[in-house]
Amino acid sequence: DAKTTQPTSMDCAEGRAANLPCNHSTISGNEYVYWYRQIHSQGPQYIIHGLKNNETNEMASLIITEDRKSSTLILPHATLRDTAVYYCIVYNAGNMLTFGGGTRLMVKP
Amino acid sequence: SAVISQKPSRDICQRGTSLTIQCQVDSQVTMMFWYRQQPGQSLTLIATANQGSEATYESGFVIDKFPISRPNLTFSTLTVSNMSPEDSSIYLCSVGWTHSIGTQYFGPGTRLLVL
Repeated sequence: DAKTTQPTSMDCAEGRAANLPCNHSTISGNEYVYWYRQIHSQGPQYIIHGLKNNETNEMASLIITEDRKSSTLILPHATLRDTAVYYCIVYNAGNMLTFGGGTRLMVKP
Repeated sequence: SAVISQKPSRDICQRGTSLTIQCQVDSQVTMMFWYRQQPGQSLTLIATANQGSEATYESGFVIDKFPISRPNLTFSTLTVSNMSPEDSSIYLCSVGWTHSIGTQYFGPGTRLLVL
């Protein structure tokens, strides 16, 4: 699976959009981009995934660049409960999920 | 989706002993996984629990140290054997379906401290 690069940490003001970037420049054509988050003292939580097109669900939006070398997870109106470590994972069907270091998002009042 | 519970939620154990962690899911699932999260670190996959057959272990993990059972489609156990302080970690169970392994649902984890 391709390697991902994420900022170690980010801050976001409560109520504002949180934009979490992920670089995956070596992604191949059949690899998906998955996002999970892990709130303190909990197990990871699946957020969203995509292949080429932008995706949106009740939790977040995923924007994937046309060349698929990077993506951004958007939490449209961050709340204090969104404070967590966010993992961007490039996944190839048939393989296992590989978690990297993630981005520690701190939502501040 | 699936709701996963783990027992115990936490434990403090003496070195040289063993601890069995249980994972129960509220619906039948095809895939069950065990992960380890060492203090301040990310998750590492230990093994895939296969129903009715031996688990599939990742590099660096062996059956003698981490025996796994999966008697049916909703239950699995992970045993941490002959524990040492280096085994102090959070152990997480997750579930998924064969057609979509990328989408997994995780239990709350078992926090283990080995003295």
